[in-house]
Amino acid sequence: AQKVTQAQTEISVVEKEDVTLDCVYETRDTTYYLFWYKQPPSGELVFLIRRNSFDEQNEISGRYSWNFQKSTSSFNFTITASQVVDSAVYFCALSEATETSGSRLTFGEGTQLTVNP
Amino acid sequence: DAGVIQSPRHEVTEMGQEVTLRCKPISGHNSLFWYRQTMMRGLELLIYFNNNVPIDDSGMPEDRFSAKMPNASFSTLKIQPSEPRDSAVYFCASSFGSLGTDTQYFGPGTRLTVL
Repeated sequence: AQKVTQAQTEISVVEKEDVTLDCVYETRDTTYYLFWYKQPPSGELVFLIRRNSFDEQNEISGRYSWNFQKSTSSFNFTITASQVVDSAVYFCALSEATETSGSRLTFGEGTQLTVNP
Repeated sequence: DAGVIQSPRHEVTEMGQEVTLRCKPISGHNSLFWYRQTMMRGLELLIYFNNNVPIDDSGMPEDRFSAKMPNASFSTLKIQPSEPRDSAVYFCASSFGSLGTDTQYFGPGTRLTVL
């Protein structure tokens, strides 16, 4: 069975600080996909990134970067120079690419990030 | 392009009443998902459709819940009769493709309160 763990329930930083959100996953499959979603106070779920298990290259998008390490089953998310608008709950999710699992997306518990001015 | 559309955005009802939540997926997407979000259980998948056919309904809590997708552009999630423990935010999501490898795009959610 697949599982996603986000051990950090809440993180509070001051604006312009860098912050890393941890995500550890469990799966028996060799082919799987990892995702990050953002849920701002308004409540919607916003897709941030999708990464497959065969691509371990780190990715950077503006102030956002992701570090994928299969050896430690981790897919961590770093925000550089955080801003108040980054305040949200961030979810890490996992999906196995098998017919039996269909499209089941397993979410972590989420990390509440608060960026203070 | 319009994203996933859900209605209503908020619903307050009394225990025992029927509740119907509606979803319009992104045009061209052939998979549709219903999720429920609560503080206790987080985000959980209720049911998943592919090409309008229910594929996995193992997450539907009980017989009081039912979902339909009569065509590619519309789905409903019905609760009858509703109970206070059904209070949650219900999300609809859609994707292009039939595997979890495809990115799911979420609607704004319906916040349901059952008194």
